[in-house]
Amino acid sequence: LAKTTQPISMDSYEGQEVNITCSHNNIATNDYITWYQQFPSQGPRFIIQGYKTKVTNEVASLFIPADRKSSTLSLPRVSLSDTAVYYCLVVMNNAGNMLTFGGGTRLMVKP
Amino acid sequence: DAGVTQSPTHLIKTRGQQVTLRCSPKSGHDTVSWYQQALGQGPQFIFQYYEEEERQRGNFPDRFSGHQFPNYSSELNVNALLLGDSALYLCASSSGWDSPTYEQYFGPGTRLTVT
Repeated sequence: LAKTTQPISMDSYEGQEVNITCSHNNIATNDYITWYQQFPSQGPRFIIQGYKTKVTNEVASLFIPADRKSSTLSLPRVSLSDTAVYYCLVVMNNAGNMLTFGGGTRLMVKP
Repeated sequence: DAGVTQSPTHLIKTRGQQVTLRCSPKSGHDTVSWYQQALGQGPQFIFQYYEEEERQRGNFPDRFSGHQFPNYSSELNVNALLLGDSALYLCASSSGWDSPTYEQYFGPGTRLTVT
């Protein structure tokens, strides 16, 4: 299983763009990059997934360079409610594969 | 449309006791996974059930067992509780054995405290 490395914590201010980078040097051909968000005392929530280049949805953008050894989750104009833990996962796109969570990045958004 | 529900919300048990946690998957989902999340750490995979069978298992001892019912709901049982079993237990559901793995929906969890 590909191991991921991401910053332990980040601080930001309301209205700023936040970029969280994750490294996954051992990513395999069949692996997808997936990000989850978790608020205190809640279960993780899927944010975005991608394989290569750029993926954008209503919540975030995901940038993946050609070598796929890293990825960047971009949160535009964060608000206080974006304060959470963000997990970067590398997942084989086959059913039945468990999600392997690392320690995540604790994002604190300040007013 | 109800999401993943778990019961109870909180539970306090004594070391050596047994506990059963319950999970109802999101409507339309037939696969249930269980995770253990210790304070300050990411969730750790326990096992996954599909068609009432355990399909995959993480690195957890046999004290952890589970069951899936015909209506797709699931139970997690932990025997001979240890202090280290204190954690948030999360249930996640997904649709179909061959659906993309990222489409897992998590419940709010059951907070288990072992004293």
